[in-house]
Amino acid sequence: GNSVTQMEGPVTLSEEAFLTINCTYTATGYPSLFWYVQYPGEGLQLLLKATKADDKGSNKGFEATYRKETTSFHLEKGSVQVSDSAVYFCALSATSGGYQKVTFGTGTKLQVIP
Amino acid sequence: EAGVTQFPSHSVIEKGQTVTLRCDPISGHDNLYWYRRVMGKEIKFLLHFVKESKQDESGMPNNRFLAERTGGTYSTLKVQPAELEDSGVYFCASSHQATRSTDTQYFGPGTRLTVL
Repeated sequence: GNSVTQMEGPVTLSEEAFLTINCTYTATGYPSLFWYVQYPGEGLQLLLKATKADDKGSNKGFEATYRKETTSFHLEKGSVQVSDSAVYFCALSATSGGYQKVTFGTGTKLQVIP
Repeated sequence: EAGVTQFPSHSVIEKGQTVTLRCDPISGHDNLYWYRRVMGKEIKFLLHFVKESKQDESGMPNNRFLAERTGGTYSTLKVQPAELEDSGVYFCASSHQATRSTDTQYFGPGTRLTVL
């Protein structure tokens, strides 16, 4: 079946540091890939997505490129802020039985310190 | 437009008791999903409603869990009787479309369930 593997956290960075959160996937066919973010006390929010190979999703300074050759969708940000502290979930979306099915990774907690 | 709402935000119950979680999807969304995250693990799919029908309930852990969506609007997830391993955060999500991998699901804030 489909699966998503993301780096274990927590990740602690200083403000303005470069961020990479690794995500790799296993899937048949051509899935879509998502990053969701959960800020403290809030629900999951879609951060960005990419729907085909070599697509780059971007939002709020975050970027991730759909790499089919390495089955990866790593999340990056050039300069993190304290407000980016949250849990980040990589997810894969594929169709099964005619309907969408989403598979999540374990989540990576990011803490940014001033 | 209101987002997905869930009630309660937290619930603490004793083993053997019953708990009912409620989810109100975004208005007009036919598709409603339940997910669960046990501490530190991945968010796992439980089931998917299309309107009032269960399209996929392959992720439901056992028959102590019962989900309903009468009238195709809000949904409830009942756990009876609750066990310790049922503790976790239960997320609800809704979407307008659900037949393509590119469709976006909108999540609620979750209900944190603690079974003592």
